[in-house]
Amino acid sequence: EVQLVESGGGVVQPGGSLRLSCAASGFTFDDYAMHWVRQAPGKGLEWVSLITGDGGGTYYADSVKGRFTISRDNSKNSLYLQMNSLRTEDTALYYCAKGMAARLIDYWGQGTLVTVSS
Amino acid sequence: DVVMTQSPLSLPVTLGQPASISCRSSQSLVYSDGNTYLNWFQQRPGQSPRRLIYNVSNRDSGVPDRFSGSGSGTDFTLKISRVEAEDVGVYYCMQGTDWPPTFGQGTKVEIK
Repeated sequence: EVQLVESGGGVVQPGGSLRLSCAASGFTFDDYAMHWVRQAPGKGLEWVSLITGDGGGTYYADSVKGRFTISRDNSKNSLYLQMNSLRTEDTALYYCAKGMAARLIDYWGQGTLVTVSS
Repeated sequence: DVVMTQSPLSLPVTLGQPASISCRSSQSLVYSDGNTYLNWFQQRPGQSPRRLIYNVSNRDSGVPDRFSGSGSGTDFTLKISRVEAEDVGVYYCMQGTDWPPTFGQGTKVEIK
């Protein structure tokens, strides 16, 4: 059974930093790309970032490019999102998601809440 | 970016009646390999999204057969043949054919 467990969310001031983690199990982690997707309170889903299975390719939404960094540690079956220069508009529930064919997603974690507020 | 437009955004349905959600893309979702990378997700209240349909029309294991997906090119549809109480939630389409991946705005299904 695929399991994705996010952690690291919290309250941070504008301009601050936070690092999210996602622990994966139930599949061969390094065979799959991984995504971060976010959902602002009461809003829809917004794709944030993707990293290829070997970690050699990373991709970002324009809204976070230059501020967020996605990475993975395949020896630990873990995915990360380093978020710097946070803005109030980054407030959202951040989901870790498993990739499938092309840039699609199949499984989702339960999410970790990031609140950017002074 | 490929814009995914869902309609309607709100769908009140009577229990046992059918429901249909449309998802239209701003450009063709046929990839160079001939596949069409379009998924449907269900998000029940307070839960994470769950994939229902992948590559337009393939139903996931464990998904009731009252859910079906169809379409091609730029026009896609998710149908629920007979709505049940557990189907309440928000439904999203997602495309993975082009960069970046994009989602529809979501369609909220509620019981009348």
